[in-house]
Amino acid sequence: AQTVTQSQPEMSVQEAETVTLSCTYDTSESDYYLFWYKQPPSRQMILVIRQEAYKQQNATENRFSVNFQKAAKSFSLKISDSQLGDAAMYFCAYERSNFGNEKLTFGTGTRLTIIP
Amino acid sequence: NAGVTQTPKFRILKIGQSMTLQCTQDMNHNYMYWYRQDPGMGLKLIYYSVGAGITDKGEVPNGYNVSRSTTEDFPLRLELAAPSQTSVYFCASSYPTNRGQPQHFGDGTRLSIL
Repeated sequence: AQTVTQSQPEMSVQEAETVTLSCTYDTSESDYYLFWYKQPPSRQMILVIRQEAYKQQNATENRFSVNFQKAAKSFSLKISDSQLGDAAMYFCAYERSNFGNEKLTFGTGTRLTIIP
Repeated sequence: NAGVTQTPKFRILKIGQSMTLQCTQDMNHNYMYWYRQDPGMGLKLIYYSVGAGITDKGEVPNGYNVSRSTTEDFPLRLELAAPSQTSVYFCASSYPTNRGQPQHFGDGTRLSIL
């Protein structure tokens, strides 16, 4: 079974600085998808960024980017120019590329605090 | 556009009671999911459905039942509620491709069993 590990239960960063959240996963598959979801205090799960394993290029979305290391099975999230609104729980998630079996496996999350 | 709507948002149950958590989506997504999130943990899959009339167990299905009579609705039934089912429940939906389409989540239902 696939597992997703987030080894940092909590992180903090000064406003406007850069922070990196770590995620590692275990799989025997070669084709899959990885996601970062944000969960603010409102509890809503919001997609931040997604990465396709067959693409070597790291995904970026405005201030959010990933460092995808397929051989190392590592998928870290970098947040640049941190803003107060970035404060949330961040979950890394894995999904097999298998039609009819698109089930997400989540990590335990990292709570990010932004220091004004 | 409402997306995924869950009701109720909060509920307190007594041990042994039963209830149904409602979930509906208006995006014509074939795939729907139910997750639970325990304090300090990630989401764990309870049940999922790939279309009307088709459901399957996820990682933690014990104590729950689901049905999928329409594309839009995917209710989760708790029979004989137990304290271990105290959690936040999320419903999600997605479009069925094998291209890693992201799941769209509802706002969750906080359920306490006392």
